[in-house]
Amino acid sequence: DVQLTQSPSFLSASVGDRVTITCRPSQGVSTYLAWYQQKPGKAPKLLISAASTLQSGVPSRFSGGGSGTEFTLAISSLQPEDFATYYCQQLNSYPWTFGQGTKVEIK
Amino acid sequence: EVQLVESGGGLVQPGGSLRLSCTASGFTFGRFWMNWVRQAPGKGPEWVANIKHDGSDVSYVASVRGRFTISRDNARDSLYLQMNSLRVDDTAVYYCTREWRPFYHDSGSDTWGQGTLVIVSS
Repeated sequence: DVQLTQSPSFLSASVGDRVTITCRPSQGVSTYLAWYQQKPGKAPKLLISAASTLQSGVPSRFSGGGSGTEFTLAISSLQPEDFATYYCQQLNSYPWTFGQGTKVEIK
Repeated sequence: EVQLVESGGGLVQPGGSLRLSCTASGFTFGRFWMNWVRQAPGKGPEWVANIKHDGSDVSYVASVRGRFTISRDNARDSLYLQMNSLRVDDTAVYYCTREWRPFYHDSGSDTWGQGTLVIVSS
């Protein structure tokens, strides 16, 4: 199975900060990588697919990049509604797997 | 409105069975791969299984293979997960999800249901 390692696991930031989350697969996944945002008690929400394709309705402050074994999710200017847990998911080889998550909290 | 609604969760003893259902609305169900994803309390999501848009291909995570069966009825816009030989570590919220792109299975899940809680305990 492809293991996904996210870093950091926890991030404390202020409104307006730029934040970057990294996802490193244990083997190359081309660009078959998605990013999700999850808030407490809610289902995950797809933000980015194919490593860098922003989903409809997702603010442009979110961006994704990378390929192979290193990917990033960036939020250019953190807003109050962005405080949540973020997960990456690889869809290159079965079983699809998720990273362990990055919790973004208010400093 | 695109919507998925799960049902069928509950409390079951180890070794027991449950059948989860997911009813889709607001889109052409038969064009999309569908998934079951679960999330144990306090943990991250775990992909469980998926099924091709026409039902002709399925895949499972190893921990459920041979115990769980995913199926669909496109005439009823419905997805199912038959869960047998349930174990304590199957306890989780189970989500039905839709792949983002029609006919593709590797694009990510853009639509999720509200989830149904399965508790396996004696």
